[in-house]
This record gives sequence, C-alpha cells and structure tokens, in this order.
Amino acid sequence: TQLLEQSPQFLSIQEGENLTVYCNSSSVFSSLQWYRQEPGEGPVLLVTVVTGGEVKKLKRLTFQFGDARKDSSLHITAAQPGDTGLYLCAGGEYGNKLVFGAGTILRVKS
Amino acid sequence: EPEVTQTPSHQVTQMGQEVILRCVPISNHLYFYWYRQILGQKVEFLVSFYNNEISEKSEIFDDQFSVERPDGSNFTLKIRSTKLEDSAMYFCASSGTINYEQYFGPGTRLTVT
Repeated sequence: TQLLEQSPQFLSIQEGENLTVYCNSSSVFSSLQWYRQEPGEGPVLLVTVVTGGEVKKLKRLTFQFGDARKDSSLHITAAQPGDTGLYLCAGGEYGNKLVFGAGTILRVKS
Repeated sequence: EPEVTQTPSHQVTQMGQEVILRCVPISNHLYFYWYRQILGQKVEFLVSFYNNEISEKSEIFDDQFSVERPDGSNFTLKIRSTKLEDSAMYFCASSGTINYEQYFGPGTRLTVT
C-alpha cells in the first residue's frame, strides 16, 4: 500500500517567516503533485514534479522532488496571511490514481 | 482558464435513496476520476475512467457505485442505495497527458440522513 506522510500536521507562524513542509513515502512515484485546499472546496493544483532532484519555483514557493522520487518538500519564503490553508501532497503514476497525504495546515498570523 | 465543474454543490438525501453526482471535466482531457473526502480525513480515490471504461477502482467503489460518461461532456457518479457512511465531499478530477496533472472540481457535499 502506498502511503504519503506529511509533516508537520499543523504550523502556525508569523508573517514574514520562512517555513518548510515535508512529504515522505517509502514508495517511488512517477510524479508528485502539491495542492492547496480551502475549507469546503476542492484541491487546487500548485505544481507537479516528475524528475528526481527537480526544483520548481512559484513566486515565494519552492518545491523539491527527492532524488529517489519518494519525498518532496515545499518551502515558503516570507509567508503572508494569504498563504494560510491546507497544503496537500499527492503521488501517482501517469494516468492513474493519486494517493494523498493528510496535509499540513498552515496558519500565518499578521 | 478551463476548469472542472460539478453539480449540485450540496445534496441531501435519505438513506437508501439513489443519487447522481455530475461533473463536466476540462474539455480536452481524456482521464477522469472520482475521489471522496470524509470530513477531517484524507482525500480518497474511488475510481478512474479512460476510453469509456473503468481503468481502476478502489475497495470503496463497490456494487453500489457506478460511473458513466453519457455524452461527450458529462461524467457522472451514481450511488444506488446511499448509506449514512457515504456522507462526504465528492470530487471529480480530470487530466490530460501533460504530466497527467489532475485538476479537481469544487466538489459536491453529500449528506445522507
């Protein structure tokens, strides 16, 4: 059974701080996707990483895929209150189901 | 920007009743999925659909569930006889072939009483 563990489960920081959240698995995935989900809404795709060691940047967000394609991290620089939300990682094989982690709840205080 | 749409946004039904949840995937996508999320829990895979047939289904997707693509645009999930434990958010997703990225709809909140 493929499992994705996300840590920390909950993170509360002050505006302007940096943070990193992690997504780890014992399984290899062809791709790993990061989503952000607001309460009562669907997950919104942030980024997809497919190559071991790949780094992608989306404004203040930096995503990294581990060399072995089993883990990933999301780093946010100078967090803002608008970054508050649930961050989900999901791994999968091309065209097949995604396996989701439980998510990291991020709260950025102003 | 193209998006996945779902109707209704909220459905309340009595135990034992049939419900049909509707989705319109992104128009040039070929792979379609249903997931569900029970309140406070992980997003769970139900079923994937490609080339007019089910390509994979989870243990949750038993004989009470079915999917259909009745025309070129809609993708539906039917639950034949709802149970209390079917209460959840149901998400439709679709993907093309660029990294097979899955885009999710806003969800249908199903409440079974």
